[in-house]
Amino acid sequence: GAVVSQHPSWVICKSGTSVKIECRSLDFQATTMFWYRQFPKQSLMLMATSNEGSKATYEQGVEKDKFLINHASLTLSTLTVTSAHPEDSSFYICSATGNDRGVYEQYFGPGTRLTVT
Amino acid sequence: QQQVKQSPQSLIVQKGGISIINCAYENTAFDYFPWYQQFPGKGPALLIAIRPDVSEKKEGRFTISFNKSAKQFSLHIMDSQPGDSATYFCAASNLQGAQKLVFGQGTRLTINP
Repeated sequence: GAVVSQHPSWVICKSGTSVKIECRSLDFQATTMFWYRQFPKQSLMLMATSNEGSKATYEQGVEKDKFLINHASLTLSTLTVTSAHPEDSSFYICSATGNDRGVYEQYFGPGTRLTVT
Repeated sequence: QQQVKQSPQSLIVQKGGISIINCAYENTAFDYFPWYQQFPGKGPALLIAIRPDVSEKKEGRFTISFNKSAKQFSLHIMDSQPGDSATYFCAASNLQGAQKLVFGQGTRLTINP
């Protein structure tokens, strides 16, 4: 149980375009989802926290107009990188947690590798 | 005060040996301490977690030792195997609050056959 999926697993886009990444909790209701980015050989950096049906809370230094987060249902959150630039190339990982069946641990998705050319 | 300091940065252990990774925190509001294992190109996987009401938790070859007074916790991997070679992250959060995980810097573990 407690499986989180992400789609796509990798994506290449051109500078200036937008990319959407999906995060789904497959077998539990995710009341809260988190989005992280990870640069090579570094730790995970929290970008934002999203609760179902409400606006996301962004960490300091993360541009909310550039990284649009939508948590429309208890099983789906999306991250849209708008007007992507090469410096946005990174590994984006979501995690989910919920009160269903006492699932308060954060379970992570497999990550999405974004390359902006 | 939100930091979690992890050491060592890298660790090489012989097969069958014990791998030990240490973490220290400052925020006494933290009440949940998980360890994650991450393989290259994959998301972190929850390995084992502990709450501050116990000093030790064991699951198979993995043990967390927790010292509340020292604000330190550690991961012990017994009988380390080459398949354990990965990056390990400790983390901490406040389950009564925002539940945001604060991660350590990571330890790259290599188990030599």
